[in-house]
Amino acid sequence: DAGVTQSPTHLIKTRGQQVTLRCSPKSGHDTVSWYQQALGQGPQFIFQYYEEEERQRGNFPDRFSGHQFPNYSSELNVNALLLGDSALYLCASSSQGTDTQYFGPGTRLTVL
Amino acid sequence: AQSVSQHNHHVILSEAASLELGCNYSYGGTVNLFWYVQYPGQHLQLLLKYFSGDPLVKGIKGFEAEFIKSKFSFNLRKPSVQWSDTAEYFCAVNANAGNMLTFGGGTRLMVKP
Repeated sequence: DAGVTQSPTHLIKTRGQQVTLRCSPKSGHDTVSWYQQALGQGPQFIFQYYEEEERQRGNFPDRFSGHQFPNYSSELNVNALLLGDSALYLCASSSQGTDTQYFGPGTRLTVL
Repeated sequence: AQSVSQHNHHVILSEAASLELGCNYSYGGTVNLFWYVQYPGQHLQLLLKYFSGDPLVKGIKGFEAEFIKSKFSFNLRKPSVQWSDTAEYFCAVNANAGNMLTFGGGTRLMVKP
């Protein structure tokens, strides 16, 4: 039973560029949440997708957008990258109606 | 808005010492409480969770946590730590409104052999 998978593992971009990160949820899960974890801090909630719609959003600008596909996988897009966007981006999956989220290994984004 | 505070940023213990990591949350309604652990080079893993019922919950690897509603606390404990417990520990909360998790800043635990 595969857990949550994310790709790529690492990514280096320059300021102003755009990036797409991908996540496949744990088998049987239909809800995907994205978090940003800056160095030395706890994860911060970006948004959550269920039934291909954004259901909840944290305090992140519109440069952060996402998508969920019919197979429940999800993408996180960040436009006009800033140096401050450098972080570990975590995807978590769960089943709608349950409160336990399972995390993937993350994508380490470095913005130069 | 809910918030979570973890008082100890870094803790250093010797093997066999007892561990208690503090976690306090700020939210007026019903909450679900979690402790996650991040071992070096690995992803966040669920240690234990509290939804309702017995306020003393037991998790994996000998960890337990006690929910004290009057103190808005959910402290993590282990009677005797091992070197393999070296990791970063995160307390998290979500309110009934949805699955959004609010995390504390984390506590980095180092256990000396």
